[in-house]
Amino acid sequence: GQQVQQSPASLVLQEGENAELQCNFSTSLNSMQWFYQRPGGSLVSLFYNPSGTKHSGRLTSTTVIKERRSSLHISSSQTTDSGTYLCALERGANTGKLTFGHGTILRVHP
Amino acid sequence: EAAVTQSPRNKVAVTGGKVTLSCNQTNNHNNMYWYRQDTGHGLRLIHYSYGAGSTEKGDIPDGYKASRPSQENFSLILELATPSQTSVYFCASGTGSYEQYFGPGTRLTVL
Repeated sequence: GQQVQQSPASLVLQEGENAELQCNFSTSLNSMQWFYQRPGGSLVSLFYNPSGTKHSGRLTSTTVIKERRSSLHISSSQTTDSGTYLCALERGANTGKLTFGHGTILRVHP
Repeated sequence: EAAVTQSPRNKVAVTGGKVTLSCNQTNNHNNMYWYRQDTGHGLRLIHYSYGAGSTEKGDIPDGYKASRPSQENFSLILELATPSQTSVYFCASGTGSYEQYFGPGTRLTVL
């Protein structure tokens, strides 16, 4: 089965609303990363977050290793937040080999 | 800011032809990776390298070769391209268990 499950698969918000994206792992976690991808675009790293909580502007990432999950919270969403959010876990310590989830497609309407 | 570039950005190839995708990074990262992204499969690891002269097979290496002639450059080679290899290919660089930085992607169409 898939090692990385993301939910929801898609999400539609009105501008100003908050969003909570989830990433669950079926294997042990060495490290994980959240990425943002615009349609047809490359991946931009949002967080490298192997454990605990990290903040960056309106974004917050929380990883709980023993529960094998990570979340990405977007507060006060903006239309420019629209795109796909991907989480990826590292397999094996210090390998950098990432397994990606299928992503959450976020659309924020004005 | 980390810099990873890829060339070409778009490529149309014929079945049975040879295709080489190139990646360059200026971050002095030891590790480099090639992924492909397909609807329904997400991103999957094809080949990776831990330094110049080394290449390792990822999760879906069949039909692909890789070459790492220098710290900066990492190529993905399709000796006999097939339509099933039509995809978007991403190169990334990183250092062990830390952030990976991705290139802009190459859209490959094999007719």
